[in-house]
Amino acid sequence: GESVGLHLPTLSVQEGDNSIINCAYSNSASDYFIWYKQESGKGPQFIIDIRSNMDKRQGQRVTVLLNKTVKHLSLQIAATQPGDSAVYFCAENGGGGFKTIFGAGTRLFVKA
Amino acid sequence: GAVVSQHPSRVICKSGTSVKIECRSLDFQATTMFWYRQFPKQSLMLMATSNEGSKATYEQGVEKDKFLINHASLTLSTLTVTSAHPEDSSFYICSASIAYLLNTEAFFGQGTRLTVV
Repeated sequence: GESVGLHLPTLSVQEGDNSIINCAYSNSASDYFIWYKQESGKGPQFIIDIRSNMDKRQGQRVTVLLNKTVKHLSLQIAATQPGDSAVYFCAENGGGGFKTIFGAGTRLFVKA
Repeated sequence: GAVVSQHPSRVICKSGTSVKIECRSLDFQATTMFWYRQFPKQSLMLMATSNEGSKATYEQGVEKDKFLINHASLTLSTLTVTSAHPEDSSFYICSASIAYLLNTEAFFGQGTRLTVV
């Protein structure tokens, strides 16, 4: 079935370093991808999205890269801060464009 | 961004009772809302798609008679966990998409922590 998964379950980085979180997806027909951040006990928070007609998109301190050839997605966080500590999920919109399917998640620890 | 409000944020109920969770889109209309369940240290698993004015569409393996979904208006969907058991204890999260926009981010509620004792 369709799925979106992650290579690394946990990632620990030093404050100020850059973080890279990876994600693999299996549905080659997916055309919209989103990264969410989830803090403990809260709902997912939108970080950045990208459509399949792009391979890179930048936001404030975050960049998403999309490689459709190998069905790979990554989230780069520049100058990681303690407030970035959370679980990060990649997700795809499927089922006609509305249904959001989540990957397994990566927990990011930022060491001060 | 658009706001989705979920209520209650926490609920404890006795085994065998039912509990209702509300999901409201506060500043936009949502013809479609989604319900997810999240167990500790796991991802969000889609349970069902709630369609305004029609029956919900359940994902494979989700019991429709146990998880009743009602989407009576463009701003409100409810999930009722019927005859709850301890294994239903979980974090339930709803989301909504702006009706007329395809392929846009979904807006999530803050989640409901259900504990069945």
